[in-house]
Amino acid sequence: QVTLKESGPGILQPSQTLSLTCTFSGFSLSTYGMGVGWIRQPSGKGLEWLANIWWDDDKYYNPSLKNRLTISKDTSNNQAFLKITNVDTADTATYYCARIGLGDVMDAWGQGASVTVSS
Amino acid sequence: DIQMTQSLASLSASLEEIVTITCQASQDIGNWLAWYQQKPGKSPQLLIHSATSLADGIPSRFSGSRSGTQYSLKISRLQVEDTGIYYCLQRYSNPWTFGGGTKLELK
Repeated sequence: QVTLKESGPGILQPSQTLSLTCTFSGFSLSTYGMGVGWIRQPSGKGLEWLANIWWDDDKYYNPSLKNRLTISKDTSNNQAFLKITNVDTADTATYYCARIGLGDVMDAWGQGASVTVSS
Repeated sequence: DIQMTQSLASLSASLEEIVTITCQASQDIGNWLAWYQQKPGKSPQLLIHSATSLADGIPSRFSGSRSGTQYSLKISRLQVEDTGIYYCLQRYSNPWTFGGGTKLELK
């Protein structure tokens, strides 16, 4: 059974760096074809893809966030990470991580971590 | 970036009715399209991948189809538990992009 769970600071101030962790089980990020993606959703709004990291450490980012994103992984501990620098109120959202299975399908999602940026 | 347009922001239908939700891609994405259902306070759930393939554990009343760059999600007999917001996602090219969502309610 594949499970994922996001964790984060809950609240942070503008200009700080947001650090999110995705802890998963039921698959390995060292397995060929596997990946983890990050997606966010402001309250009452739609979904926005942020970044993907793959089994071979290949990484892709949404250019709309310019160079503020960094995705990484710790294969030994079954974790993936996302950092967003210089946050502002527009980064307030629920952040999800999802497994990307064979065929590049986001087939399992975590429950989401709520992040509020406020001074 | 590839734009994914779900023209209907909301849709109301009756129990047992046939419902079709559409998603238009701004360019050819082949079959690199997935459909997700999201219920209030929950994370999205995969329904359809590769435009037409039913995800594991999803009822057979859900189906996906493609005509050129238009993609459709069909619910053959609407059930109470099918209410929610439906999103399409293209993963043909980066950045991956979602449609704006279609909220499905019971009439």
